Amino acid sequence: KNEVEQSPQNLTAQEGEFITINCSYSVGISALHWLQQHPGGGIVSLFMLSSGKKKHGRLIATINIQEKHSSLHITASHPRDSAVYICAVRSGGGTGNQFYFGTGTSLTVIP
Amino acid sequence: KAGVTQTPRYLIKTRGQQVTLSCSPISGHRSVSWYQQTPGQGLQFLFEYFSETQRNKGNFPGRFSGRQFSNSRSEMNVSTLELGDSALYLCASSLVRTGPTEAFFGQGTRLTVV
Repeated sequence: KNEVEQSPQNLTAQEGEFITINCSYSVGISALHWLQQHPGGGIVSLFMLSSGKKKHGRLIATINIQEKHSSLHITASHPRDSAVYICAVRSGGGTGNQFYFGTGTSLTVIP
Repeated sequence: KAGVTQTPRYLIKTRGQQVTLSCSPISGHRSVSWYQQTPGQGLQFLFEYFSETQRNKGNFPGRFSGRQFSNSRSEMNVSTLELGDSALYLCASSLVRTGPTEAFFGQGTRLTVV
């Protein structure tokens, strides 16, 4: 059983569409990260959440600690948003800096 | 300020050889963790170092090892390479070990074992 479940696995959208990627987790966490990975590229952390909601440009991330659920929204999607988005939770307690990762959502935005 | 630096970026090795990868964290960051990314398994935790001590280890064989130096730079070593070790190896650094602290990822080292 995976500690972090993401959906959908693959997503194709038309430019301008509103996109939602969901993440559910089963472990206690100290923080949740949304990561972006372009093909062949490294990983960039888009957001770190421990509660509530954050917004950065066209990206919005929310987390519900009680329901162990987070969503990443992209408003007015653009082809440059095409990438893999990965939900990662940092475990709480004494296990320190260990991340558990979702399998990723591959997003393709068509012009 | 400089980000997390991993070297080399690309590496090709032969089965049976060993390899050492390097990760230089953001200045002031003392926690470094390592991850393996493969198409089949996704991202998996290898180990975490803090203040030169391994604090946590994932479910990988003993061929995978690492260390951290006093300047927080970390190395990981894989001995007796197998074809299945071909992967992107990522490291992440953060200021502290626990709590809601930002983590920054390097660009990764892509290892190909032939």
